[in-house]
Order: sequence, then C-alpha cells, then structure tokens
Amino acid sequence: NAGVTQTPKFRILKIGQSMTLQCTQDMNHNYMYWYRQDPGMGLKLIYYSVGAGITDKGEVPNGYNVSRSTTEDFPLRLELAAPSQTSVYFCASSYSLADLTDTQYFGPGTRLTVL
Amino acid sequence: EDQVTQSPEALRLQEGESSSLNCSYTVSGLRGLFWYRQDPGKGPEFLFTLYSAGEEKEKERLKATLTKKESFLHITAPKPEDSATYLCAVQRGSQGNLIFGKGTKLSVKP
Repeated sequence: NAGVTQTPKFRILKIGQSMTLQCTQDMNHNYMYWYRQDPGMGLKLIYYSVGAGITDKGEVPNGYNVSRSTTEDFPLRLELAAPSQTSVYFCASSYSLADLTDTQYFGPGTRLTVL
Repeated sequence: EDQVTQSPEALRLQEGESSSLNCSYTVSGLRGLFWYRQDPGKGPEFLFTLYSAGEEKEKERLKATLTKKESFLHITAPKPEDSATYLCAVQRGSQGNLIFGKGTKLSVKP
C-alpha cells in the first residue's frame, strides 16, 4: 500500500490564483482530513470527511473548499489565494468505527507559497 | 477550551542522555492521546495511542505514559537518529478530530 499520497509537493501561487491540492489514500479508510501547519504552530484542521459525499468544516476553513466523491480521494481547493495561506498542507486518513479511537495516517505534505 | 501544551519547545541531549517530553491537555471527553514523530519536510509518523490513565506503551527507546492531565514521552539512551519533532495530539468526541500541540524539537548530539 502506498498509504496517503499528496500532489504536488511544492507550489508557488500568485495572489488571487486558484489551485487544487490532491490527496489519495489506498487503505479504504472512511475518514479523511486536511490540516495546515505553520512554522512553530500545531497542525490546524481545515476540513474533514466521514465518507463519500459528506464533508464538514474544521477549525480554519475560510478560503478553502473540499469535496469527496469517492472513498479514495479528498481534494482541497484554494480559491483566490492569499499570502495568509502560505503553509504546509497535510492530508490524513483513518478508519473509524463507532466508539473506537482511530489512528490518523498522514501524507508527505504540500508546501505552498503565495506571493 | 480544549488545549494541548507541549514542553519544552526544544530539547538538546547528548547521545545516551535519557529525558522526557511532556504533553499536558485539557479536553472534554478524551477518546485518545496520540504521539507522532515528524522529520523535517515530512508528514507526521504515528508512534503511539494511549486510551486511559495508567496506560503505557513502548517502542524501542521510546515509552509513552498517560495520566488524567498529561502524557510523557520518555526517551531512554537516545541516538542521533531520534532527532525529530515530537507531536502530541488528543482526540475528543465522536468525530475523530485531533487537537495538536506545537511539538517538541529534539536534537541528539553524538
């Protein structure tokens, strides 16, 4: 299994541009997450999904959108990029059953710079 | 407000010098506490999950413990390859969301 894969690894955007960060997992996990990590800060949850067709906001959703059409894929869309969105973005997935704690497995990250 | 605080922010050890990293938390309805290791330029790598106070887990030179208010990651006789940032996170409720601390950056010198 490749686990959680993310593309691209690096990207530079100009202010106002849009892009989609791709995330795919091959572990048949039902839960998927998007986090951002700023220097010296903990990971912050942007959006998450509990299954295909179901998404919900996390702690810092403004300026982002997500969709979940399949179990495997969970793309993150940035519309009108701003310098405040410069960060490292991590996708994660987990297999969750009711009343059981699940372990999240992370992808390698996408380093995004908005100039 | 749910919160996770890790200390120290940075820790420099000599090879073989044992120490502990601390993760204190305030969260309602704790489902689990997670430890991750993160190397520069990479995603967090899962180490341990602890579910209840008194629980302990070990992996090579690492041992994680949990009380009702904090968790410790003990590192015994560390080696330079243990150098990394160690992240603590708590999971609450039924949604699976994790709340992360800022991490402890560990440097082990030969």
